[in-house]
Amino acid sequence: RKEVEQDPGPFNVPEGATVAFNCTYSNSASQSFFWYRQDCRKEPKLLMSVYSSGNEDGRFTAQLNRASQYISLLIRDSKLSDSATYLCVVNRGSNYKLTFGKGTLLTVNP
Amino acid sequence: GAGVSQTPSNKVTEKGKYVELRCDPISGHTALYWYRQSLGQGPEFLIYFQGTGAADDSGLPNDRFFAVRPEGSVSTLKIQRTERGDSAVYLCASSLAASSYNEQFFGPGTRLTVL
Repeated sequence: RKEVEQDPGPFNVPEGATVAFNCTYSNSASQSFFWYRQDCRKEPKLLMSVYSSGNEDGRFTAQLNRASQYISLLIRDSKLSDSATYLCVVNRGSNYKLTFGKGTLLTVNP
Repeated sequence: GAGVSQTPSNKVTEKGKYVELRCDPISGHTALYWYRQSLGQGPEFLIYFQGTGAADDSGLPNDRFFAVRPEGSVSTLKIQRTERGDSAVYLCASSLAASSYNEQFFGPGTRLTVL
């Protein structure tokens, strides 16, 4: 079983739609959690950190459920510019390396 | 300010050759990481440096891979006797310090193709 598993996708949605990404992680010792965004043939960039209390940044909401080892990302009112691959990322803390999911490709259509 | 830079951006080599990939981290960042991303996959950890020393090299796939960071800034990833399976994008990242909460900033990557 992979350490971080994401919805395989791809997701194709119209502009203005709400889209949700789900992710599970297997190592209960994981300490920090992130969503990264990666545009085609570009480097990953941090979208947002994920906290147990849930956090929101504009149209983006991230949630963490430590008991279920589950992370989610919700994008509301999606824009064409949201088209990218969304990577669920976990840091176990002891060695600081990031463990990435495979990524979910999102295409927002006009 | 300047981000993480990597050179070359693309490298095509023949099976069996030796290659060096360079990473220049953000100035003042003490932690440096190498990842490898194959097509359709997320990046996978290779090695991380805190200062000059390799603090964790558990992700290096075999002894053909080696990385150095002699002065605690620029790092070089070295691959000997390249194989077709080594073809991937090699990403470098840096952070202020090695912490599970510090953001890692990624460079644009080196796309390695082994023919």
